[in-house]
Amino acid sequence: KAGVTQTPRYLIKTRGQQVTLSCSPISGHRSVSWYQQTPGQGLQFLFEYFSETQRNKGNFPGRFSGRQFSNSRSEMNVSTLELGDSALYLCASSQRTEGGYTFGSGTRLTVV
Amino acid sequence: KNEVEQSPQNLTAQEGEFITINCSYSVGISALHWLQQHPGGGIVSLFMLSSGKKKHGRLIATINIQEKHSSLHITASHPRDSAVYICAARYNTDKLIFGTGTRLQVFP
Repeated sequence: KAGVTQTPRYLIKTRGQQVTLSCSPISGHRSVSWYQQTPGQGLQFLFEYFSETQRNKGNFPGRFSGRQFSNSRSEMNVSTLELGDSALYLCASSQRTEGGYTFGSGTRLTVV
Repeated sequence: KNEVEQSPQNLTAQEGEFITINCSYSVGISALHWLQQHPGGGIVSLFMLSSGKKKHGRLIATINIQEKHSSLHITASHPRDSAVYICAARYNTDKLIFGTGTRLQVFP
C-alpha cells in the first residue's frame, strides 16, 4: 500500500515568487491536512480538506491557500513568497477527519 | 486559548531505561495524538487517544481527561527510539495544536 506522496521533496524559490506543493494521500483516505514546520515555531496547522471542502484553516495569511481534487489529491499554494516561508511543509492523510494520520515525507522549501 | 504544553524539552537516557514524556492541554479536546519525528523530518503517528490507555510494543500512551494530561512511556528504551516526540491536541474547533516536542536521545 503506497504511503502519502509529497512532491517535490526540495524546492528553492526567490522572494516574491509563488509555489505549489502537491500531496497524494493514501488510497481511500478522503481527509488531507497541511502543516508548516520551522525551527522557531515548530509544527503549525495550515488547513484541512475533506471531500474537496476546506474543513478548517489555521492562522496563516491569505497568501497560503489550498485545494483538494475529486481524487483526494491536494495542492497548497503560497503566493508572494517571503523569507519566513522557508520551512518543511508536511501533509497528512486519514480516513476520517478525526482519524489517525499518515504523514508524507514533506517538501523542504527554501526562499532566498 | 487552546494550548499544548509538553515536557521535558530534552531527554537523555541509557539503553534499557523507562522513559516518560508528558503533555498537558486545555479543555475541549476531541483527541490527543502522539507523533514521532526522526532526523530528516519524517513523522510517524504513534497513537490517537480520546480516553484510557493504548499500547503498541514498548510504547504506552495514557490520557487522563479530568487532569487534562497525557503521557507517553517507552519501556526498555533503545538507541533507535532516539527521535523527537510530539503531542498534538485536536480541539472541538477541529484545529490541531502541537506541543513543542521532546528530543529524546538514548545512548547504548
